[in-house]
Amino acid sequence: DVVMTQSPLSLPVTLGQPASISCKSSQSLVHRDGYTYLNWFQQRPGQSPRRLIYEVSRRDSGVPDRFSGSGSGTDFTLKISRVEAEDVGLYYCMQGTHWPPLTFGQGTRLEIK
Amino acid sequence: QVQLQESGPGLVKPSETLSLTCTVSGASISSDYWSWIRQPPGKGLEWIGYIHYTGSTSYNPSLKSRVAMSVDTSKNQFSLNLNSVTVADTAVYYCAKGRSSPNSWGRGTLVTVSS
Repeated sequence: DVVMTQSPLSLPVTLGQPASISCKSSQSLVHRDGYTYLNWFQQRPGQSPRRLIYEVSRRDSGVPDRFSGSGSGTDFTLKISRVEAEDVGLYYCMQGTHWPPLTFGQGTRLEIK
Repeated sequence: QVQLQESGPGLVKPSETLSLTCTVSGASISSDYWSWIRQPPGKGLEWIGYIHYTGSTSYNPSLKSRVAMSVDTSKNQFSLNLNSVTVADTAVYYCAKGRSSPNSWGRGTLVTVSS
């Protein structure tokens, strides 16, 4: 199984400041078709997960442009340029390249300082 | 806009079978792959498996011996059966649209395994 390791697991951030979450995979996520199936999900308190980013850096419709994804191979990052109160919650990376099984990171809890 | 709604018993006894259905609206079930994912209370996300409308499936090897998924195109629904459940199967169960990158999720349903 591909292990997805996120850091930090807890991320206190001041409103208006940037935030960054790292996600490392135990093997390259480049699929034989050339695509890299690395996704980021946000889970607000009491809600179901919502996809923010797919294929490393493609932002979903309706996702604010303060969210961005980057990386390649085994190292990936989700960045929030200016944290807002509505960004509080859990963030998960997930790989969709090597399956079964598809695997998630442990989750990073973002909170406001 | 695609909407997914999980339904099924909220309480299942140990050793029995957990059965859930996901009803899809706003999209044809014949248009994509459909996934089940679960989240134990206070824990992270675990992929259970997916099904294609043709009936093709892929399951998490850790659950494979106990899982079965099916699809009913006439009702635009797909289903999950997990047999021989234990307390470790207590979780919020989500259905979602997509395979490698699930892009629409249901609100989830809590299933508690308890006698």
